[in-house]
Amino acid sequence: EAGVVQSPRYKIIEKKQPVAFWCNPISGHNTLYWYRQNLGQGPELLIRYENEEAVDDSQLPKDRFSAERLKGVDSTLKIQPAELGDSAVYLCASSPGIGERAYNEQFFGPGTRLTVL
Amino acid sequence: AQSVTQLGSHVSVSEGALVLLRCNYSSSVPPYLFWYVQYPNQGLQLLLKYTSAATLVKGINGFEAEFKKSETSFHLTKPSAHMSDAAEYFCAVTDYSSASKIIFGSGTRLSIRP
Repeated sequence: EAGVVQSPRYKIIEKKQPVAFWCNPISGHNTLYWYRQNLGQGPELLIRYENEEAVDDSQLPKDRFSAERLKGVDSTLKIQPAELGDSAVYLCASSPGIGERAYNEQFFGPGTRLTVL
Repeated sequence: AQSVTQLGSHVSVSEGALVLLRCNYSSSVPPYLFWYVQYPNQGLQLLLKYTSAATLVKGINGFEAEFKKSETSFHLTKPSAHMSDAAEYFCAVTDYSSASKIIFGSGTRLSIRP
């Protein structure tokens, strides 16, 4: 079974440019997460989807970040415009359950390492 | 709000020695607790989880952790370290009654000396 797929793996852009990350979760997983991991830190949740609904986006900086999960499968996270402080690894994860069952295990993709110059 | 504290950002042990990575949590209700491992340039992989069943939890790769409510701890151990255990380890907590999210600690980098 394929794991969580993310692309690109690496991205280097100049500040003020837009950037987008793509995630394909494990087939059949209802819940999808986007995390940001700064250097030397643990992941921090940006947004959580249950199917196509964003049920927790309280940590998403909405002035420049946006996300979508059309048809409740693939998801895209966008930053426009990017700032120097956005340099980090962006992780996507999925889990098979919904609600409290979603926390039994999250399966992570390899992440996209973003460098903003 | 829930949180986890991982004591020691870097732990170094000799191959074959005991591995002990410390994690303390704060939670107002019985939590779910997790340990994840992250190898270089890879995503996180679940090692083990505590979900209010047995307090001693066994995971993959010979790791185990014990939930101690009186100490609010969930330390990760492995009797004998292997070179392949070198990685970053994250403790995480979720309080599902708030239907919120998993909170990760800042991580502990484990190095194995030959």
